[in-house]
Amino acid sequence: AQSVSQHNHHVILSEAASLELGCNYSYGGTVNLFWYVQYPGQHLQLLLKYFSGDPLVKGIKGFEAEFIKSKFSFNLRKPSVQWSDTAEYFCAVNADSSASKIIFGSGTRLSIRP
Amino acid sequence: EAGVAQSPRYKIIEKRQSVAFWCNPISGHATLYWYQQILGQGPKLLIQFQNNGVVDDSQLPKDRFSAERLKGVDSTLKIQPAKLEDSAVYLCASSLDRAAYNEQFFGPGTRLTVL
Repeated sequence: AQSVSQHNHHVILSEAASLELGCNYSYGGTVNLFWYVQYPGQHLQLLLKYFSGDPLVKGIKGFEAEFIKSKFSFNLRKPSVQWSDTAEYFCAVNADSSASKIIFGSGTRLSIRP
Repeated sequence: EAGVAQSPRYKIIEKRQSVAFWCNPISGHATLYWYQQILGQGPKLLIQFQNNGVVDDSQLPKDRFSAERLKGVDSTLKIQPAKLEDSAVYLCASSLDRAAYNEQFFGPGTRLTVL
């Protein structure tokens, strides 16, 4: 069965620091990968997704993620975080492009010190 | 465009009581999802509809949970009877259709507390 691991439960950074949130999945076949974000008091929303092509995917608000197939990883990065990036971040995986079922990780809470 | 609507936003009940949640997806979205998100965990898919048919309900505890989408638009999720472990946020999402590349849009959720 597919699963997604996010090992960092809570990350605390200062503004302007660089960010990398880890995500590993377990599935040997072709996967589609997502990062979702939930800002305080807001709905869960899509940050970026990878389906095929360039393994470096760029999303909204300066975020990017790199798919490394050999490591079963899809880490999220941002070179310089802002206070407004405070949120919960979820990595998710889909193993069937014809069906939209996705499996979410347990999430990483990101707190940015102003 | 209007987003996914859910009601109520909060519900507190005692164990063994019944509860129902309502979801209205984005207009024109054929696929509707109900997720359960327990504190400290990611959302877990309970059931997925394509129009008014069930696509996947493999993780729905069918002895106590039921869901319907009779006219292929809005949907209700019911729990009867509720248990303490059902305390969670219940999220509804919708997408244009069931292909994975279609973005799922989430509603605000209903926070259920079972005492």
